[in-house]
Amino acid sequence: QITLKESGPTLVKPTQTLTLTCTFSGFSFSTSGVGVGWIRQPPGKALEWLTLIYWDDDKRYSPSLKSRLTITKVTSKNQVVLTMTNMDPVDTATYFCAHKASSGCFDYWGQGTLVTVSS
Amino acid sequence: DIQMTQSPSTLSASVGDRVTISCRASQSISRWLAWYQQKPGKAPKLLIYKASNLESGVPSRFSGSGSGTEFTLTISSLQPDDSATYYCQQYDINRTFGQGTKVEIK
Repeated sequence: QITLKESGPTLVKPTQTLTLTCTFSGFSFSTSGVGVGWIRQPPGKALEWLTLIYWDDDKRYSPSLKSRLTITKVTSKNQVVLTMTNMDPVDTATYFCAHKASSGCFDYWGQGTLVTVSS
Repeated sequence: DIQMTQSPSTLSASVGDRVTISCRASQSISRWLAWYQQKPGKAPKLLIYKASNLESGVPSRFSGSGSGTEFTLTISSLQPDDSATYYCQQYDINRTFGQGTKVEIK
């Protein structure tokens, strides 16, 4: 059974760096083909894909946010860490992590964590 | 970037109606297209992958079609539980979501 859960601060100040952790179970980065992505959703708005990391440490980023994002994996802890620099109030959103299915889309999602950017 | 455009943004239909949602890609994505259902306060749920493949456990009233740049999600007989927002997502090059279609029950 695959589960994912996001954790991190609920409130960050403008210009600060956000660090979120996705802790998962039911799969491992030791397995070929595995991937975990991050997606966010501002209140009342659409989903926005941010980044994806593969079992072989290949990383993909949204072109519009690439300069601000870093994704890393901690295989031994079954975790994926997202950092986003220079946070702004427009980055206020629920941040989800999700498991990449063998088909390529996201088949299992965490519950999401709301991050508010405010001074 | 590949842009995904959904239509309509909102639709209202009655229980039992056939409902169709469209999704257009800014360039060909072959069949690398997924559909998700999201209810308020919840994570999205995968419905369809590779344009027309039904995810395990999803009711058969949901179906997907299309290839290249034009795709469709169809609900053959709308049920009260289908009230939600639906998103398409391409996964040919990186990933991109559409802006969503809110389905309301009359």
